[in-house]
Amino acid sequence: QVQLQESGPGLVKPSETLSLTCTVSGGSISSYYWSWMRQPPGKGLEWIGYIYYSGTTNYNPSLKGRVTISVDTSKNQFSLKLSSVTAADTAVYYCARSLIAAAGTPDYWGQGTLVTVSS
Amino acid sequence: ETTLTQSPAFMSATPGDKVNISCKASQDIDDDMNWYQQKPGEAAIFIIQEATTLVPGIPPRFSGSGYGTDFTLTINNIESEDAAYYFCLQHDNFPLTFGQGTKLEIK
Repeated sequence: QVQLQESGPGLVKPSETLSLTCTVSGGSISSYYWSWMRQPPGKGLEWIGYIYYSGTTNYNPSLKGRVTISVDTSKNQFSLKLSSVTAADTAVYYCARSLIAAAGTPDYWGQGTLVTVSS
Repeated sequence: ETTLTQSPAFMSATPGDKVNISCKASQDIDDDMNWYQQKPGEAAIFIIQEATTLVPGIPPRFSGSGYGTDFTLTINNIESEDAAYYFCLQHDNFPLTFGQGTKLEIK
C-alpha cells in the first residue's frame, strides 16, 4: 500500500521560503499526479497544486507566482516551495497521490505536517 | 471557482444511528464529488468517489448520493470508530475545492 510522509521545517520566518518534501513508499512515483494541500488552523482545506512525474504542473491560481512543485523520481520524492510567506500561510500541509483519470483527485494522503510562519 | 458548502459543521450521534452530511456546490459539477474521512493525527481516507461509488475496502454502511449541486454522505448503523472529521472535494473544475468539513462525535 502506498504511504506518503511529509518532512521539513516546522517554523518559517515571514518573507522566507517554505520548503517541504514528501517521500513516497510502497509504490513508484512514476505515473499518477502528486499533490499538495493545506489546512489553516480552524479553516477548510485548500488545494495547492500537483505535479506529474514528467514535470507537468498545475497550481491553484490563488498561489500562482509563489508556489513551485518539483519531483525527484530517483528518490521517489516530490517537493513544495512557497515563497514570500506570511502568517496566512501557517497551516497543516498535506501531500497526496492523485488520480490522473479523475482530474487530480487525491486517493492516498500523508498525515500532514504543521508549518508555522512566525518571527 | 466552485464553492462547496458543507453542513453541519459538527454533529453528535449514538451507535446505531443514521447520519447525513450535506455538501452543496455553487455550480453544477455533475458527479465529480468525493468524500473523505480523517481521524486526528492520521492520513485522510478516501471513502466515496464520483458521488456514489464506495471506494474498495470501505464498509458498506457508508454511502453517497447526489448529482449536480446537492450531495450527501450517509453513514448507516454508525459505530464508535466512525468518530472523525469528514470533508467533501469537487474535481469537476480547477482549482479543486473542499467543503469546510464536519466533525462527527459518537456519544
